[in-house]
Amino acid sequence: DTEVTQTPKHLVMGMTNKKSLKCEQHMGHRAMYWYKQKAKKPPELMFVYSYEKLSINESVPSRFSPECPNSSLLNLHLHALQPEDSALYLCASSQGQGDGYTFGSGTRLTVV
Amino acid sequence: AQSVTQPDIHITVSEGASLELRCNYSYGATPYLFWYVQSPGQGLQLLLKYFSGDTLVQGIKGFEAEFKRSQSSFNLRKPSVHWSDAAEYFCAVGLSNTGKLIFGQGTTLQVKP
Repeated sequence: DTEVTQTPKHLVMGMTNKKSLKCEQHMGHRAMYWYKQKAKKPPELMFVYSYEKLSINESVPSRFSPECPNSSLLNLHLHALQPEDSALYLCASSQGQGDGYTFGSGTRLTVV
Repeated sequence: AQSVTQPDIHITVSEGASLELRCNYSYGATPYLFWYVQSPGQGLQLLLKYFSGDTLVQGIKGFEAEFKRSQSSFNLRKPSVHWSDAAEYFCAVGLSNTGKLIFGQGTTLQVKP
């Protein structure tokens, strides 16, 4: 299995809702990432997990809460989001620095 | 500070013509360099990577890239473009101390029939 699987593919949520994005990889990669991508822009790093521990938080607002239950799973819990948080949320994994990332196809999030 | 510059925001080429997408980076150490492609509404797919050895690297879909340390460049090339190559292309540098990827702003490739 050489894929990163993200669910759901599309999500519409209100500003008072709580939802979660899920990401799964079975490549044995030791690092997993959450990126946010706005239209016509490059991905922006949000969080890095290395060996299931949070190693980088790029000053992301607390309404985004990551969780890494085990080495294959990565969640992003969403609460009280704003319309400007609407974006494509990408999960990625990697084995080492020189390997590059394997990206999932993303979750298209719309906050209404 | 580390950075990646893709000077061309938008490029249009005719199908069958050759392609070169430019990428310049700024990084103090030996860089890990990558090219990714993104089709609309999709994730990013790794085309090729460089971190040591031969400066001309081959990737998937007939793409290649050449690392030139003296010019701090890592340009992507393809001899003959296909209509299916129309997409967004991102150059990225990997930071050796954190594993973070720094992306360029991207180049949109349009292919004319």
